[in-house]
Amino acid sequence: QLQLQESGPGLVKPSETLTLTCSVSGGSISSNLYYWTWIRQPPGKGLEWIGNMFYSGDTYSNPSLKSRVTISVDTSKKQFSLKLSSVTAADTAVYYCATWATSTGTIEYWGQGALVTVSS
Amino acid sequence: DIQMTQSPSSLSASVGDRVTITCRASQGVSSWLAWYQLKPGRAPKLLISLASRLQGGVPSRFSGSGSGTDFTLTISSLQPEDFATYYCQQAESFPLTFGGGTKVEIK
Repeated sequence: QLQLQESGPGLVKPSETLTLTCSVSGGSISSNLYYWTWIRQPPGKGLEWIGNMFYSGDTYSNPSLKSRVTISVDTSKKQFSLKLSSVTAADTAVYYCATWATSTGTIEYWGQGALVTVSS
Repeated sequence: DIQMTQSPSSLSASVGDRVTITCRASQGVSSWLAWYQLKPGRAPKLLISLASRLQGGVPSRFSGSGSGTDFTLTISSLQPEDFATYYCQQAESFPLTFGGGTKVEIK
């Protein structure tokens, strides 16, 4: 069973770049069953899909964030990462790393989430 | 983008009650719909995929139905551990989109 764990700074200053890493265990990061995914939930609000990346590099991102989002996969470290540039207070959220199953289109495995606050 | 509208946004119910949550898509998504359970401080949990396929380990009191634009999640007999927030998600096309959530509270 896949296990995912987010890590990264809990506080980021406005205009800077938010960087989070997700460590994958219990399975292969080179699996063709999943895209590696980031989702976020601002305080008191609903879930927002950020983007997906296949281990080979195929990527989909939310158009609302696309110009600011970079997702990358490091197969040697069994990690994938999110970079979100030019952050504002509106980017304050719990960020989840997850897997998107290609066969069902569902978010099958989730990390516990990491709260990132954007504040000076 | 496909908009997902859930109702109600919150509900109060008692242990043993039958609870139904609805999700409507702004355009047809066939059966490309999932349901999730979220609890504070815990990893979200996938309950149902492809509109009605129960995930392994999910109690049979949960069920999903629907296709096209209208979907329902039913909890046949609410248990104490079911008090949580539930979200639907369409997988028909990118960007993936979620409903606004339904918070199930104790009456």
